[in-house]
Order: sequence, then C-alpha cells, then structure tokens
Amino acid sequence: NAGVTQTPKFRVLKTGQSMTLLCAQDMNHEYMYWYRQDPGMGLRLIHYSVGEGTTAKGEVPDGYNVSRLKKQNFLLGLESAAPSQTSVYFCASSYKGRGDTQYFGPGTRLTVL
Amino acid sequence: GQQVMQIPQYQHVQEGEDFTTYCNSSTTLSNIQWYKQRPGGHPVFLIQLVKSGEVKKQKRLTFQFGEAKKNSSLHITATQTTDVGTYFCAAPGSGTYKYIFGTGTRLKVLA
Repeated sequence: NAGVTQTPKFRVLKTGQSMTLLCAQDMNHEYMYWYRQDPGMGLRLIHYSVGEGTTAKGEVPDGYNVSRLKKQNFLLGLESAAPSQTSVYFCASSYKGRGDTQYFGPGTRLTVL
Repeated sequence: GQQVMQIPQYQHVQEGEDFTTYCNSSTTLSNIQWYKQRPGGHPVFLIQLVKSGEVKKQKRLTFQFGEAKKNSSLHITATQTTDVGTYFCAAPGSGTYKYIFGTGTRLKVLA
C-alpha cells in the first residue's frame, strides 16, 4: 500500500512554461485535494474532487487547472507558470469528505524563475 | 468568509517544558481536526474532535474542543525533540466538502 504518491518531487520552471503534477492514491478514496503551502500561509486549497470526473474550485484556483479522469489519479496543471506559483504542492485524499481523515502525499517543491 | 486563526505562529521551548497551541474559528464548527507536519515532511492526521467540551489524550498530547465549538487547543506535556514540527488545526468549510487549515504553529524544542 503506497498511500498517496506525487510526481515529481522537485521541479524548476521558467516563467511561461507549463507542467502537470500527478497525484495517485491506492486507497480507493473518493475525495482528492490539491493544496499549496507557502511560509506563514498554512495550507491553501487550490482545487478538489468529490469523485471521478468531478472537480471544484478551492480558495486559490486562479492559474491552475485539474482533471480527475480516473478515481485514483488527480492531476494539477499550470498552463503558464508565474513566479507567484513557487510553492510546495501537496495532494491529499480522503474516503469521505468532511469528517474524514485526509492522507497527504510527500509534496512537490516547485520553483518558477 | 470563514476564518481559522491559530496562535502562536512560533514557539520555542526547552525540552521538558509544556507547549500549547490554540485554534479559533469565527463560526461554530461541526468538528475540528489536528495535523502535525515534521520539517521537510507532509501533514499527518493526529485526531478529530466532534463533541462540545470534548477532551482526548494521546500519550503526552491533550486535545480540547471548546464548549461553544468555536475553539480548540493542543497541549503537549514535557516536550521532547521528537515533537518538533508544525501543528495545524483544520475546520470544515461552511457548506462544502473541504477543510480550512489554520496557519499553523511551528514548535522548536531546544535540547
């Protein structure tokens, strides 16, 4: 049981480049989440999904897109990276929504130059 | 919008001293969760509180949910170097499936 995995672990982009972060979970969880973590800001929700084929906006969705084509995978895309998107990105999943434990992946450290 | 405030932002303690972090919400909560993040690591679930006035213990950690269900605290007795990390509270976002995380309290334990 790998839990929640994230690919890649580190990435450096130039302004304007695009990339996709992959999150995978093997716990058959319905709910998946993408957060970003910046110093002093805690964890802020970017987008989330309550099931395969569904996505919804979180607190800070601008500049990001997501897709949940398969239940076990949740992809986060940056179409045109900006320095303000330099952050650590965490994916999480839970069996249910509110009231359930969130299991986090190891994170992706992204730097945009 | 809904806010979850957490204080203090930082705390340095000598090993063996106690530590407390507080979480306050602007609205009444149905439940509250606590997570711990070690330096360089990812958040790990510690506990969930649901009932008004609830107190739960995990070894040296004591978690409380306020009577009005608007605040919560985490108290660590006799801190150890293994307690180092950032502690987050997380409260349900109103009317949605998501949680709002507090800004976290970073604990440093000096040996």
